[in-house]
Parts: sequence; C-alpha cells; structure tokens
Amino acid sequence: KNEVEQSPQNLTAQEGEFITINCSYSVGISALHWLQQHPGGGIVSLFMLSSGKKKHGRLIATINIQEKHSSLHITASHPRDSAVYICAVDRGATNKLIFGTGTLLAVQP
Amino acid sequence: AAGVIQSPRHLIKEKRETATLKCYPIPRHDTVYWYQQGPGQDPQFLISFYEKMQSDKGSIPDRFSAQQFSDYHSELNMSSLELGDSALYFCASSSTGLWGYTFGSGTRLTVV
Repeated sequence: KNEVEQSPQNLTAQEGEFITINCSYSVGISALHWLQQHPGGGIVSLFMLSSGKKKHGRLIATINIQEKHSSLHITASHPRDSAVYICAVDRGATNKLIFGTGTLLAVQP
Repeated sequence: AAGVIQSPRHLIKEKRETATLKCYPIPRHDTVYWYQQGPGQDPQFLISFYEKMQSDKGSIPDRFSAQQFSDYHSELNMSSLELGDSALYFCASSSTGLWGYTFGSGTRLTVV
C-alpha cells in the first residue's frame, strides 16, 4: 500500500465545473504539498500546508491532520487547468517528499 | 523573484557517456533535493544536501554522484549512461527555518 494515495487517478470535467481531488496518507507529516505538472513539463508548487485551508485564485486546498486527508478544489474549471495534480508529503526528518501517483485532470471546453 | 534554476533544460547523450546536471537553489536556501521522474512514473527521490553535506540518500544508482558547492548550487554527475536513465531530473530547494519548498523546471535527459 502506498504511503500517499490520491483519488481519482483520472478525472474529466466540463469547463466551469467544480473539481475535487483527494489525497490520503498513512504516515506522520510536517507538511503536505499540492503540485501541478503539465505534460512533459516541470513541477509547479501550488500549495504547502500543515493545517487548515489555503486559497489562491480559483484553487483551494484543505487538510485534516487527524484524518490524514487533504483535498484540492478547483472552482470554475478551465481547459488550461488540464494537468497532473500531485500530492506529496514531507515527513519532516530530512524533508524529502513522498509523492502520490497523481491525478490526471482533463477539462473539456 | 528568483526561482530554482536548472541547466541544461534538455540533454541528449549516448549510452555509456557521462552527463552533468546543475541546480541553483533559491538564494538563502541551504538544502537541495534531486528527484528522477521516468516516463509515466512518480518522481523518485535520489539524494539531498544540507549545508554542503549529504543529508539523505534514496534510490540513486552507484553510477551517479552528486555534491553541493560552497555557493549552495548542486551538481548531479551521471556516468555510464543507460537507456533507462532517460527521465526528467528536477531539483528542489528549501531552507531550514523558512517556509517554502521550490522546484526547478527540470532537465530532460534522453539517452540514445
């Protein structure tokens, strides 16, 4: 069983829809990252959080430390949001990240 | 704002050749991490450095070595390249005491 699991693995949405991607982890962490990667591209850090909720534009990330669960929400989705969204956790000792398998999001116009 | 700079962006090498990838962290970041992402795979941690000393080691082949220099930039040296080394190599940097973990855009290595 992976230490970091995401769901769904693939998601297709229509433009304008509200999207939720979930991440569950089984280890103790100091922080959780939500990352975005476009096909063939580098990784962009969207959020780094250790508690509560953060919002940036149309993106919202929440984390529940007790339940070891985080969600990434995209409001008013747009085709340019199409990418792989990756959840990664920082266990804190040496700060290397453990990555989830990613969620491939396709937003259709 | 300055970001994590990696060079080169793309690199094509033949089997058994060597390659050197460079990573320049965010100013005042003292820790550098290297990750390897094969085609369609999750990123895998290779190695990290804190204050020029190796701080952690992951699934880095013996053919690879890395170091962090006095200006905190890091280099990943890869020898006897194999076809399976073709991947996106990206580095990230962070700083103890500061909130933030920044990724570089990666170096795409293709071994032919």
